[in-house]
Amino acid sequence: GENVEQHPSTLSVQEGDSAVIKCTYSDSASNYFPWYKQELGKGPQLIIDIRSNVGEKKDQRIAVTLNKTAKHFSLHITETQPEDSAVYFCAALHTGNQFYFGTGTSLTVIP
Amino acid sequence: DTGVSQDPRHKITKRGQNVTFRCDPISEHNRLYWYRQTLGQGPEFLTYFQNEAQLEKSRLLSDRFSAERPKGSFSTLEIQRTEQGDSAMYLCASSFLSGRAQEQFFGPGTRLTVL
Repeated sequence: GENVEQHPSTLSVQEGDSAVIKCTYSDSASNYFPWYKQELGKGPQLIIDIRSNVGEKKDQRIAVTLNKTAKHFSLHITETQPEDSAVYFCAALHTGNQFYFGTGTSLTVIP
Repeated sequence: DTGVSQDPRHKITKRGQNVTFRCDPISEHNRLYWYRQTLGQGPEFLTYFQNEAQLEKSRLLSDRFSAERPKGSFSTLEIQRTEQGDSAMYLCASSFLSGRAQEQFFGPGTRLTVL
């Protein structure tokens, strides 16, 4: 199977600063890496994703980078806002069928 | 497109009772996943369907758990003889299988509390 590790488990930043969350995966066969934002009492919401043939993807204040050689990928949020406060999960799609999730990062943006 | 819906949103039951949850995926999506999420953890895969066929089940899915997707549309997840350890959020997600990797969309979840 696949093993996804996520760090840090909690992260506090001042409003306007950047936040970075990192994940590593174990199986080089994984080829799709989504990031989800989960607010209290809600299901995870897809915010950005990256496929294994791409090194970086950006969508406004959110970017994801992928290093296939090192088997790690990162979420970058710039100019953080209080509404960015939530739990963020990374995931890896293994052999096209099953998603493996990290344990989550609780992000707090301090106004 | 109304997104993935789940019913009920909350369920409280006594140990030993049976419960059933329903998931309605996004209409054109042919893949449907069930996950379990406990506090402070990421979603854990339970099972998935492609159309009406159940293609994979996790070892987490004991014999007390059964899932169906009879017509390739909505799905049900039943837990028989519930135990306190079954208390968790049960999430459903759907995606459209194509040549590209899947984008998966989650429902709001059903929170189960077993007393």
